[in-house]
Amino acid sequence: DAKTTQPPSMDCAEGRAANLPCNHSTISGNEYVYWYRQIHSQGPQYIIHGLKNNETNEMASLIITEDRKSSTLILPHATLRDTAVYYCIVRVVIETSGSRLTFGEGTQLTVNP
Amino acid sequence: NAGVTQTPKFQVLKTGQSMTLQCAQDMNHNSMYWYRQDPGMGLRLIYYSASEGTTDKGEVPNGYNVSRLNKREFSLRLESAAPSQTSVYFCASRNRGQNYGYTFGSGTRLTVV
Repeated sequence: DAKTTQPPSMDCAEGRAANLPCNHSTISGNEYVYWYRQIHSQGPQYIIHGLKNNETNEMASLIITEDRKSSTLILPHATLRDTAVYYCIVRVVIETSGSRLTFGEGTQLTVNP
Repeated sequence: NAGVTQTPKFQVLKTGQSMTLQCAQDMNHNSMYWYRQDPGMGLRLIYYSASEGTTDKGEVPNGYNVSRLNKREFSLRLESAAPSQTSVYFCASRNRGQNYGYTFGSGTRLTVV
């Protein structure tokens, strides 16, 4: 799986958009970009994933650059409940194996009132 | 629909004691996983089970054993606990053909003294 680089921490004002960057310059053509978050003391929660097109769901948007070497997770209107560690993970989807996730240290996002 | 249930939520062991962490999922998922998370760090995979009857080592398997009792249950055993195994343990599950949305349990906080 490709290695990812994320800033260790970020701050965002409540109600504003939070833009969390992730570099994955060694990503392969068949590797997806996944985002999870972990609110303090809880299990990680899936947010969104994508291959090469931008994706949007009820939680967030994922913008992947054309060369796929970086991506940005966007929380359009951050709330205090979005304060969490956000993990960017790059991996191949292998249906016949364990398909395990490799977590890095992530970005601690703090949403301030 | 409870998702992934882990028991116990908290446990204190003395060095050398043994115990089994239980995990059960009610989503009919094929694959199940055990991760550990040390303070300020990302999750590391201990063992996983791609399907009922199979188990494989992850990144940090030493000192642990697992049993995939049936499709629902995946237990993690510490035969002789050591202080280095003090951590938060997360169980997760996923269905083959579902290339997103690993579901995590709420964790077991284990302290070995």
